[in-house]
Amino acid sequence: SQQGEEDPQALSIQEGENATMNCSYKTSINNLQWYRQNSGRGLVHLILIRSNEREKHSGRLRVTLDTSKKSSSLLITASRAADTASYFCATTGTASKLTFGTGTRLQVTL
Amino acid sequence: EAQVTQNPRYLITVTGKKLTVTCSQNMNHEYMSWYRQDPGLGLRQIYYSMNVEVTDKGDVPEGYKVSRKEKRNFPLILESPSPNQTSLYFCASRDRTEGNTIYFGEGSWLTVV
Repeated sequence: SQQGEEDPQALSIQEGENATMNCSYKTSINNLQWYRQNSGRGLVHLILIRSNEREKHSGRLRVTLDTSKKSSSLLITASRAADTASYFCATTGTASKLTFGTGTRLQVTL
Repeated sequence: EAQVTQNPRYLITVTGKKLTVTCSQNMNHEYMSWYRQDPGLGLRQIYYSMNVEVTDKGDVPEGYKVSRKEKRNFPLILESPSPNQTSLYFCASRDRTEGNTIYFGEGSWLTVV
């Protein structure tokens, strides 16, 4: 069963705008990670936030976590065409199992 | 360079013909896993392994087998492939510390006709 559900499924913005993607999950987690996937390629780890953290930054990425609402958001500021990709959240709970959501497809146009 | 290597990258095969997708990592990671990715369903875990000779079922293990005889290798075996196993497959690994970065292979496109 899917643990994470991303919203929106698809997002189209212009270069320079900010992109926000949301992830909701169902059960308690130890941490939540965001991954990026270029079309047909492997996933690349972006950022990890632990269950006792509320916000984390990495370059143009900002991740928030609200465990009371079982949700997380990924903000990409000043987006570039090269940010065009699919973005997945993934949660780790019991048994070290990493469970992925269905992803958000981001299209950044010039 | 840290790498997870899968082979083959692309394969078209026929129903019932056994095939193996190999996976190898050079990071001495204990944990390895296989996922399949299908449109609208995201990534679903097939099998995972916490260490040598330790394997467990993921969410969609039916029709697949795995083995972990060595730390670096984690092959995925389709004994009798069927068309519903047409998918993009990813192998991944990380060290034992939960929450550490998972490294993914580049994917194997498998078509069963």
